[in-house]
Amino acid sequence: EIVLTQSPDFQSVTPKEKVIITCRASENLGTSLHWYQQKPDQSPKLLIKFASQSISGVPSRFSGSGSGTDFTLTIDSLEAEDAATYYCQQSQSLWTFGQGTKVEIK
Amino acid sequence: EVQLVESGGGLVQPGGSLRLSCAASGFTVTNNYMTWVRQVPGKGLEWVSVIYRDGQTYYADSVKGRFTISADNSKNTLYLQMNSLRAEDTATYYCAKGGARLCLDPWGQGTLVIVSS
Repeated sequence: EIVLTQSPDFQSVTPKEKVIITCRASENLGTSLHWYQQKPDQSPKLLIKFASQSISGVPSRFSGSGSGTDFTLTIDSLEAEDAATYYCQQSQSLWTFGQGTKVEIK
Repeated sequence: EVQLVESGGGLVQPGGSLRLSCAASGFTVTNNYMTWVRQVPGKGLEWVSVIYRDGQTYYADSVKGRFTISADNSKNTLYLQMNSLRAEDTATYYCAKGGARLCLDPWGQGTLVIVSS
């Protein structure tokens, strides 16, 4: 089973600050890595697909990068509405998720 | 608009059974990969099962032999038949469009399953 490890587990951030979340895979994923946002009491929502491809309707302050085993989700200029838990997910071999990174607004 | 609506969750005793449904609109379930993911309250996401367009199915080891995924073209609905339920199956179950090498989008709103005596 491919293991995904996100860091950090928790981040408290002030509005307009830049947020960087990393996801490290135990095996080479190529670019089969996707990012989701889950707000409290809501279902997950796709943010970035295939490591860096943007999704229609998702604000441009969200971006992804990386390939192989190391990936990054960046939120430029954090807004209050971005308070959520962020998950990476791999689709290279079966499907696994990272443990999640909770982003709190200071 | 592509939309997924789950139903069928509830309280069930250990060893019992439950069938979850996921009604789709805006696309045809049997022409797509469809996935079930669950989330224990306050915890992370766990992939449960996927059904391919050709009918192939895959399961997480934790549910293999107990859960069965299926899709009904006439009702455009995805199902998850859950048997021999255990306390550790307590979770919100989400259906999502996607699977195989694809991402999951969109997701349904989820249905809560509680396994308890």
